[in-house]
Amino acid sequence: KQEVTQIPAALSVPEGENLVLNCSFTDSAIYNLQWFRQDPGKGLTSLLLIQSSQREQTSGRLNASLDKSSGRSTLYIAASQPGDSATYLCAVSTGNQFYFGTGTSLTVIP
Amino acid sequence: GAVVSQHPSRVICKSGTSVKIECRSLDFQATTMFWYRQFPKQSLMLMATSNEGSKATYEQGVEKDKFLINHASLTLSTLTVTSAHPEDSSFYICSAPGTGNYEQFFGPGTRLTVL
Repeated sequence: KQEVTQIPAALSVPEGENLVLNCSFTDSAIYNLQWFRQDPGKGLTSLLLIQSSQREQTSGRLNASLDKSSGRSTLYIAASQPGDSATYLCAVSTGNQFYFGTGTSLTVIP
Repeated sequence: GAVVSQHPSRVICKSGTSVKIECRSLDFQATTMFWYRQFPKQSLMLMATSNEGSKATYEQGVEKDKFLINHASLTLSTLTVTSAHPEDSSFYICSAPGTGNYEQFFGPGTRLTVL
């Protein structure tokens, strides 16, 4: 069974810092990997989708990479802002099955 | 992108009553939808896969008689929490896959509080 782990579980950084969130998965047979943002008490906002054939995707200050063979993905956030404070979830798709990571709670301190 | 809605966004009910949550794909059809539950400070846990025109598939440990799922049409799936108890209080989120690339589109979630 696919297991998805995120490290660290929580992260606190001063405003302006660049940071990296990590996601690892145990079964490399995936269709894609998605990164989501979740604000407290809210639903999920999709940030980036990387297909299994891709190495990375970029959107604004966000860059996600995927190394399928090693079962790893990273989400790089440049020049962090207090508004980036949220929980970040990665999830992998194996077709119609979707597995979520444990999440990283990010706090950006003004 | 594709839009998935949920109704209601928030519901409070008394213990023993039943609550229905709707999940709709607004601008695309979905033969499959997924229902998740999220407890505070935890990740999403898949409860069941809703299949249009056939029975839902439940994950291990999820009571199918308690969490009734009906996929009535290609744009609507409903989750009914029957005889709700306080321990059923949680955040329930549905999703539907887009076509072709298996991207998942999520509803905004429903906060259920059982008194």
